[in-house]
Amino acid sequence: DVQMTQSPSYLAASPGESVSISCKASKSISNNLAWYQEKPGKANKLLIHSGSTLQSGTPSRFSGSGSGTDFTLTIRSLESEDFAVYYCQQYNEYPYTFGAGTKLELK
Amino acid sequence: EVQLQQSGPELRRPGSSVKLSCKASGYSITDYLMHWVKHRPEHGLEWIGWIDPEDGETKYAQKFQSKATLTADTSSNTAYMQLSSLTSEDTATYFCARGLPHYFDYWGQGVMVTVSS
Repeated sequence: DVQMTQSPSYLAASPGESVSISCKASKSISNNLAWYQEKPGKANKLLIHSGSTLQSGTPSRFSGSGSGTDFTLTIRSLESEDFAVYYCQQYNEYPYTFGAGTKLELK
Repeated sequence: EVQLQQSGPELRRPGSSVKLSCKASGYSITDYLMHWVKHRPEHGLEWIGWIDPEDGETKYAQKFQSKATLTADTSSNTAYMQLSSLTSEDTATYFCARGLPHYFDYWGQGVMVTVSS
């Protein structure tokens, strides 16, 4: 199975700051990577697919980059609604696998 | 508006089975794959498999091959997942999610399954 190593596990930041989350695959997954946001009481939200394509409705302060094995989710100018847990997911091969998650907390 | 409404929490004895439902609204389930994902805090998210409700084709992660059975009822626009021979390892939150086709644009709210004697 493709192992997805996500880092950091926890990240504390303040509104207005920019943060980056890394996701590394144990083998090349081309650009078959998605990012999701998890918030309590809400359904998980697809932010980015194909490594860097913003899903409709995703604010432009979110961006994704990378291909092959190394990927990054960047959030510029954090807003209060961005404090959540973020997961990456590879869909290049079965079984699809997820990173362990990054909890973005308010500093 | 697309919504996936999952059934309520379940408590089951070890060795029993449970069938979870995921009722879609705002679209026809025959137009998209439906995936199921398992979440345990200490194990993260695990993809279980998908079903194509149009023809019933399924694909499972190998570790869930004998654990989960995915079905769909197009007349009620509902997908189902049955989990059999339950153990404590099956205690988790289970999500259904619409596939595009292999990443997920809409998720259900999740259903907690607790396996305990």
